[in-house]
Amino acid sequence: KAGVTQTPRYLIKTRGQQVTLSCSPISGHRSVSWYQQTPGQGLQFLFEYFSETQRNKGNFPGRFSGRQFSNSRSEMNVSTLELGDSALYLCASSLRTSGGRNEQFFGPGTRLTVL
Amino acid sequence: GESVGLHLPTLSVQEGDNSIINCAYSNSASDYFIWYKQESGKGPQFIIDIRSNMDKRQGQRVTVLLNKTVKHLSLQIAATQPGDSAVYFCADLYSGAGSYQLTFGKGTKLSVIP
Repeated sequence: KAGVTQTPRYLIKTRGQQVTLSCSPISGHRSVSWYQQTPGQGLQFLFEYFSETQRNKGNFPGRFSGRQFSNSRSEMNVSTLELGDSALYLCASSLRTSGGRNEQFFGPGTRLTVL
Repeated sequence: GESVGLHLPTLSVQEGDNSIINCAYSNSASDYFIWYKQESGKGPQFIIDIRSNMDKRQGQRVTVLLNKTVKHLSLQIAATQPGDSAVYFCADLYSGAGSYQLTFGKGTKLSVIP
């Protein structure tokens, strides 16, 4: 069974640009969550999508957005990039069944560098 | 807001010794508490979790202890090996009211001395 895949793995952008990152969850998983990881702030929750709907959102500005497609693949977009957006962006998928543990499986991440 | 934090940023242990990594959490409503291991260049990998109504759970070479009275979580690794060198994160999972969110601690870097 293939794991969570994220593309691209590395990305370099300049301030003011926008970027779109992609995540393909494990087959059968309908929940996709996104996290930002930086040395200073650690792992911070961005948002979660389930059945094409955003179910929960972390404390990030509106420049950060996402969506989920009918095949559960998800994209996140960051507009008007700032230097502080440089981070490892991680995607995690899970089954999200009610009452279960719902282990989240993480992808390898996309390393975004903003110059 | 609610958060999960770690007491120590780094931990060095001799190969073969036991390791104990600690974590404090603040969200009493969390359903599960989870430990993740992250190696360089990889995403976090699930190690073990514990449901909020339990106080101890054992896995292969790992044990998680939960003390709800003081809101403390610990990960014990028996007979630590060089392959255990990584950053360890605790996280709490809250899945109430339609929400489903992991809140992570800052992480503890475990270095195993051969």
